[in-house]
Amino acid sequence: DADVTQTPRNRITKTGKRIMLECSQTKGHDRMYWYRQDPGLGLRLIYYSFDVKDINKGEISDGYSVSRQAQAKFSLSLESAIPNQTALYFCATSDSVTGAMADTQYFGPGTRLTVL
Amino acid sequence: ELKVEQNPLFLSMQEGKNYTIYCNYSTTSDRLYWYRQDPGKSLESLFVLLSNGAVKQEGRLMASLDTKARLSTLHITAAVHDLSATYFCAVNNNNDMRFGAGTRLTVKP
Repeated sequence: DADVTQTPRNRITKTGKRIMLECSQTKGHDRMYWYRQDPGLGLRLIYYSFDVKDINKGEISDGYSVSRQAQAKFSLSLESAIPNQTALYFCATSDSVTGAMADTQYFGPGTRLTVL
Repeated sequence: ELKVEQNPLFLSMQEGKNYTIYCNYSTTSDRLYWYRQDPGKSLESLFVLLSNGAVKQEGRLMASLDTKARLSTLHITAAVHDLSATYFCAVNNNNDMRFGAGTRLTVKP
């Protein structure tokens, strides 16, 4: 089984709809992240969480919210989806333990979201 | 604001040739990462570089870091088709993680 899973894998929705993307991990990592990927722009950080009670905004948090329900679960919500939120969304995890792997991120398979 | 620039963005090379991908970043950072993404797939970690002068090698790929120049390089030696993918560098500056736009590498026979 995959260590980092995302649901759904594909989603088509309409402008104004609320949508939630979910991420679960079995790696035992304490840190979790949400990114979006757009062609030619690389990945951009939306939100990250270092613990269940810790939520931090990333580079592009406007229009998004997150919830860390448990150490293993981190969900991303679009309260009112708009077409320019059409993108590929990745969840990632990392371990805060210092050392050679220093916060290396492990990515889920991605969710392709289309907002019409 | 932390900015990360990669070049080239597109690279087509023949098997057996050597080439280097460059990653420049705008502010000091204590961690630099290289990732690989195959078409339609997720990202896979290649290297993490933590200090000035750090060099890591895995197979035909070698990554280095010069923190004074704010530059990392990913050197490809004797390219093979299996290396065709998009390569991203990423910089962590006080938990602000920024990715470059990626270098799409195509290795032709």
